[in-house]
Amino acid sequence: DAGVTQSPTHLIKTRGQQVTLRCSPKSGHDTVSWYQQALGQGPQFIFQYYEEEERQRGNFPDRFSGHQFPNYSSELNVNALLLGDSALYLCASSLRFINEQFFGPGTRLTVL
Amino acid sequence: GENVEQHPSTLSVQEGDSAVIKCTYSDSASNYFPWYKQELGKGPQLIIDIRSNVGEKKDQRIAVTLNKTAKHFSLHITETQPEDSAVYFCAASKGGGADGLTFGKGTHLIIQP
Repeated sequence: DAGVTQSPTHLIKTRGQQVTLRCSPKSGHDTVSWYQQALGQGPQFIFQYYEEEERQRGNFPDRFSGHQFPNYSSELNVNALLLGDSALYLCASSLRFINEQFFGPGTRLTVL
Repeated sequence: GENVEQHPSTLSVQEGDSAVIKCTYSDSASNYFPWYKQELGKGPQLIIDIRSNVGEKKDQRIAVTLNKTAKHFSLHITETQPEDSAVYFCAASKGGGADGLTFGKGTHLIIQP
Protein backbone atom coordinates (compact mmCIF):
# COMPACT_ATOMS: atom_id res chain seq x y z
CA ASP A 1 0.00 0.00 0.00
CA ALA A 2 1.68 3.19 -1.21
CA GLY A 3 1.77 6.02 1.25
CA VAL A 4 1.64 9.71 0.40
CA THR A 5 4.04 10.61 -2.41
CA GLN A 6 5.32 14.04 -3.38
CA SER A 7 7.32 15.39 -6.30
CA PRO A 8 9.83 16.75 -6.86
CA THR A 9 12.06 16.00 -3.87
CA HIS A 10 14.08 19.20 -4.20
CA LEU A 11 13.60 22.38 -6.19
CA ILE A 12 15.65 25.54 -6.62
CA LYS A 13 13.99 28.70 -7.94
CA THR A 14 14.81 32.40 -8.07
CA ARG A 15 12.80 35.28 -6.64
CA GLY A 16 9.75 36.20 -8.70
CA GLN A 17 9.40 32.80 -10.33
CA GLN A 18 6.45 30.44 -10.00
CA VAL A 19 6.53 26.84 -8.74
CA THR A 20 4.19 23.84 -8.80
CA LEU A 21 4.46 20.99 -6.32
CA ARG A 22 2.59 17.71 -6.61
CA CYS A 23 1.07 15.22 -4.18
CA SER A 24 -0.58 11.82 -4.48
CA PRO A 25 -2.59 10.81 -1.43
CA LYS A 26 -2.51 7.48 0.36
CA SER A 27 -4.70 4.87 -1.29
CA GLY A 28 -8.32 5.28 -0.22
CA HIS A 29 -7.92 8.87 1.02
CA ASP A 30 -9.95 11.70 -0.49
CA THR A 31 -8.70 14.80 1.35
CA VAL A 32 -5.39 16.58 0.88
CA SER A 33 -3.87 19.24 3.13
CA TRP A 34 -0.73 21.28 2.47
CA TYR A 35 1.70 22.57 5.09
CA GLN A 36 4.81 24.76 5.03
CA GLN A 37 7.64 23.87 7.42
CA ALA A 38 10.40 26.43 7.85
CA LEU A 39 13.75 25.22 9.20
CA GLY A 40 13.53 24.44 12.91
CA GLN A 41 9.77 25.10 13.08
CA GLY A 42 6.58 23.10 13.17
CA PRO A 43 4.49 22.72 10.01
CA GLN A 44 2.03 25.55 9.26
CA PHE A 45 -1.30 24.81 7.62
CA ILE A 46 -1.73 26.34 4.16
CA PHE A 47 -5.04 24.88 2.93
CA GLN A 48 -7.12 21.75 2.55
CA TYR A 49 -8.83 20.28 -0.53
CA TYR A 50 -11.80 17.96 -0.67
CA GLU A 51 -14.04 17.19 -3.66
CA GLU A 52 -11.78 19.39 -5.80
CA GLU A 53 -12.54 22.50 -3.74
CA GLU A 54 -10.55 24.46 -1.18
CA ARG A 55 -12.38 23.82 2.09
CA GLN A 56 -10.22 25.62 4.63
CA ARG A 57 -7.30 28.00 4.45
CA GLY A 58 -4.61 29.04 6.90
CA ASN A 59 -2.95 32.45 7.13
CA PHE A 60 -1.21 32.45 3.74
CA PRO A 61 -1.46 35.05 0.95
CA ASP A 62 -3.22 34.54 -2.37
CA ARG A 63 0.16 33.82 -3.98
CA PHE A 64 -0.43 30.31 -2.64
CA SER A 65 -3.07 28.43 -4.60
CA GLY A 66 -3.95 24.83 -5.17
CA HIS A 67 -5.92 22.32 -7.10
CA GLN A 68 -7.31 18.86 -6.54
CA PHE A 69 -7.96 16.46 -9.39
CA PRO A 70 -10.72 13.85 -9.75
CA ASN A 71 -8.24 11.11 -8.73
CA TYR A 72 -7.70 13.06 -5.42
CA SER A 73 -4.12 14.06 -6.26
CA SER A 74 -3.27 17.69 -5.65
CA GLU A 75 -1.00 20.53 -6.70
CA LEU A 76 0.32 23.50 -4.74
CA ASN A 77 1.22 26.59 -6.77
CA VAL A 78 3.22 29.52 -5.44
CA ASN A 79 3.53 32.68 -7.55
CA ALA A 80 6.01 35.56 -7.29
CA LEU A 81 8.38 33.60 -5.06
CA LEU A 82 10.06 35.38 -2.14
CA LEU A 83 13.20 34.37 -0.28
CA GLY A 84 10.97 33.64 2.73
CA ASP A 85 9.12 30.95 0.77
CA SER A 86 12.16 28.68 1.15
CA ALA A 87 10.89 25.76 3.23
CA LEU A 88 9.87 22.11 3.25
CA TYR A 89 6.39 21.77 1.75
CA LEU A 90 4.45 18.85 3.16
CA CYS A 91 1.34 17.18 1.84
CA ALA A 92 -0.92 15.21 4.17
CA SER A 93 -3.79 12.98 3.17
CA SER A 94 -6.79 11.83 5.14
CA LEU A 95 -10.27 10.43 4.77
CA ARG A 96 -12.98 13.06 5.04
CA PHE A 97 -14.49 13.26 8.54
CA ILE A 98 -11.66 11.11 9.90
CA ASN A 99 -9.04 13.00 11.91
CA GLU A 100 -5.81 11.16 11.14
CA GLN A 101 -3.55 12.92 8.64
CA PHE A 102 -0.63 11.07 7.06
CA PHE A 103 2.28 13.05 5.69
CA GLY A 104 4.46 12.61 2.66
CA PRO A 105 8.25 13.12 2.67
CA GLY A 106 7.94 16.71 1.48
CA THR A 107 9.43 18.89 -1.23
CA ARG A 108 12.38 21.06 -0.24
CA LEU A 109 12.04 24.44 -2.01
CA THR A 110 14.99 26.83 -2.06
CA VAL A 111 14.43 30.37 -3.38
CA LEU A 112 17.59 32.27 -4.34
CA GLY B 1 -7.01 31.14 16.04
CA GLU B 2 -5.48 28.21 17.86
CA ASN B 3 -2.02 28.55 19.44
CA VAL B 4 0.00 25.52 20.59
CA GLU B 5 3.00 25.89 22.90
CA GLN B 6 5.44 22.99 23.29
CA HIS B 7 8.17 22.40 25.90
CA PRO B 8 11.02 21.70 26.16
CA SER B 9 12.63 22.56 22.82
CA THR B 10 15.44 20.05 23.50
CA LEU B 11 15.37 17.02 25.80
CA SER B 12 18.33 14.75 26.47
CA VAL B 13 17.76 11.50 28.39
CA GLN B 14 19.78 8.38 29.12
CA GLU B 15 18.82 5.27 27.18
CA GLY B 16 16.27 3.32 29.19
CA ASP B 17 14.95 6.38 31.04
CA SER B 18 11.57 8.04 30.42
CA ALA B 19 10.92 11.22 28.42
CA VAL B 20 8.00 13.62 28.83
CA ILE B 21 7.04 16.38 26.39
CA LYS B 22 4.32 18.89 27.28
CA CYS B 23 1.99 21.03 25.17
CA THR B 24 -0.67 23.62 25.90
CA TYR B 25 -3.36 24.90 23.55
CA SER B 26 -5.54 27.99 23.57
CA ASP B 27 -8.78 27.15 21.73
CA SER B 28 -11.29 25.32 23.93
CA ALA B 29 -13.04 24.09 20.76
CA SER B 30 -10.04 21.89 19.88
CA ASN B 31 -10.81 18.23 20.46
CA TYR B 32 -8.21 16.22 18.54
CA PHE B 33 -4.55 16.08 19.62
CA PRO B 34 -2.05 14.05 17.56
CA TRP B 35 1.67 13.57 18.13
CA TYR B 36 4.15 13.26 15.26
CA LYS B 37 7.74 12.04 15.09
CA GLN B 38 9.97 13.54 12.42
CA GLU B 39 13.35 12.06 11.54
CA LEU B 40 15.94 13.95 9.54
CA GLY B 41 14.97 14.29 5.89
CA LYS B 42 11.55 12.71 6.36
CA GLY B 43 7.97 13.84 6.75
CA PRO B 44 6.19 13.74 10.14
CA GLN B 45 4.97 10.29 11.18
CA LEU B 46 1.80 9.97 13.28
CA ILE B 47 2.72 8.01 16.42
CA ILE B 48 -0.31 8.44 18.68
CA ASP B 49 -3.37 10.66 19.04
CA ILE B 50 -6.07 11.39 21.57
CA ARG B 51 -9.56 12.82 21.40
CA SER B 52 -11.15 15.09 23.96
CA ASN B 53 -13.49 12.42 25.32
CA VAL B 54 -10.50 10.37 26.50
CA GLY B 55 -8.09 11.30 29.28
CA GLU B 56 -5.26 8.88 28.51
CA LYS B 57 -4.20 6.55 25.72
CA LYS B 58 -1.35 4.07 25.63
CA ASP B 59 0.42 2.18 22.85
CA GLN B 60 3.29 0.00 24.04
CA ARG B 61 6.04 2.40 25.29
CA ILE B 62 4.15 5.54 24.30
CA ALA B 63 1.32 7.21 26.20
CA VAL B 64 -0.52 10.50 25.87
CA THR B 65 -2.52 12.28 28.58
CA LEU B 66 -5.01 15.11 28.13
CA ASN B 67 -6.33 17.63 30.65
CA LYS B 68 -9.11 19.57 28.90
CA THR B 69 -9.76 21.82 31.86
CA ALA B 70 -6.17 23.02 31.95
CA LYS B 71 -5.84 22.81 28.14
CA HIS B 72 -2.68 20.76 28.19
CA PHE B 73 -1.58 17.37 26.91
CA SER B 74 1.64 15.39 27.26
CA LEU B 75 3.58 12.63 25.52
CA HIS B 76 5.30 10.01 27.68
CA ILE B 77 7.91 7.63 26.27
CA THR B 78 9.16 4.90 28.60
CA GLU B 79 12.26 2.71 28.30
CA THR B 80 13.73 5.03 25.65
CA GLN B 81 15.84 3.52 22.89
CA PRO B 82 18.35 5.07 20.43
CA GLU B 83 15.75 4.90 17.63
CA ASP B 84 13.51 7.24 19.64
CA SER B 85 15.93 10.10 18.84
CA ALA B 86 14.02 12.52 16.58
CA VAL B 87 11.99 15.74 16.64
CA TYR B 88 8.53 15.33 18.15
CA PHE B 89 5.61 17.66 17.39
CA CYS B 90 2.29 18.03 19.15
CA ALA B 91 -0.71 19.42 17.28
CA ALA B 92 -4.34 20.37 17.86
CA SER B 93 -7.45 20.74 15.74
CA LYS B 94 -11.22 20.96 16.05
CA GLY B 95 -11.39 17.49 14.59
CA GLY B 96 -13.99 16.05 12.29
CA GLY B 97 -11.40 15.66 9.55
CA ALA B 98 -12.16 19.09 8.11
CA ASP B 99 -9.76 21.15 10.17
CA GLY B 100 -6.09 21.90 9.58
CA LEU B 101 -3.65 20.99 12.33
CA THR B 102 -1.94 23.66 14.42
CA PHE B 103 1.52 22.44 15.43
CA GLY B 104 3.85 23.24 18.29
CA LYS B 105 7.46 24.21 17.52
CA GLY B 106 8.82 20.77 18.24
CA THR B 107 11.05 18.99 20.78
CA HIS B 108 14.40 17.55 19.77
CA LEU B 109 14.69 14.34 21.78
CA ILE B 110 18.23 13.02 22.18
CA ILE B 111 18.78 9.54 23.62
CA GLN B 112 22.23 9.26 25.20
CA PRO B 113 23.75 5.74 25.09
